[in-house]
Amino acid sequence: GEDVEQSLFLSVREGDSSVINCTYTDSSSTYLYWYKQEPGAGLQLLTYIFSNMDMKQDQRLTVLLNKKDKHLSLRIADTQTGDSAIYFCAESIVSSNTGKLIFGQGTTLQVKP
Amino acid sequence: GAVVSQHPSRVICKSGTSVKIECRSLDFQATTMFWYRQFPKKSLMLMATSNEGSKATYEQGVEKDKFLINHASLTLSTLTVTSAHPEDSSFYICSARLAGPPQYFGPGTRLLVL
Repeated sequence: GEDVEQSLFLSVREGDSSVINCTYTDSSSTYLYWYKQEPGAGLQLLTYIFSNMDMKQDQRLTVLLNKKDKHLSLRIADTQTGDSAIYFCAESIVSSNTGKLIFGQGTTLQVKP
Repeated sequence: GAVVSQHPSRVICKSGTSVKIECRSLDFQATTMFWYRQFPKKSLMLMATSNEGSKATYEQGVEKDKFLINHASLTLSTLTVTSAHPEDSSFYICSARLAGPPQYFGPGTRLLVL
């Protein structure tokens, strides 16, 4: 079945790099996403990658995709206290032509000053 | 661009009443809208998918008579929680997309049923 797994918690110091990892099971996924959720708010789209890409970089964010291992990571360079939030990995399901997303449990990123 | 709004942001209601939540795509026409429910410190659970002008597709275990979804136009979808009970208290989030990815999410609606 379709499943997305993430570690639940990550703590880093301000200025360090953060790497949030995600694994998924559906090998036919088309797109993989990273969303950020701050307390009491909705989800903010950070970036997404098509499954035939290995890497995508957007300012401080770098997404790496290892399709063979079904592993996705999000690297945040020079992490700031404002990056503290929950980060969700999600995959879109090919079998669903509506673009249904399957989410991971979310990784809470704590940035210490 | 790609802004999705929800109204209200918070609502408190008495048990047995119905509550309507609106989801609007402000600067694009959404062919598909999605409704999610999120429990505290949990991930998002997809409730239903709606396309403009057609009936919503509900996920397994979601009562369609309890959670009424209407997608009246390409910019508006509504979720009505009928005869709400305390166990319906939750954070409801909608999302919208054009013909292709990605999905853009609204800010969420906090529902508290007393």
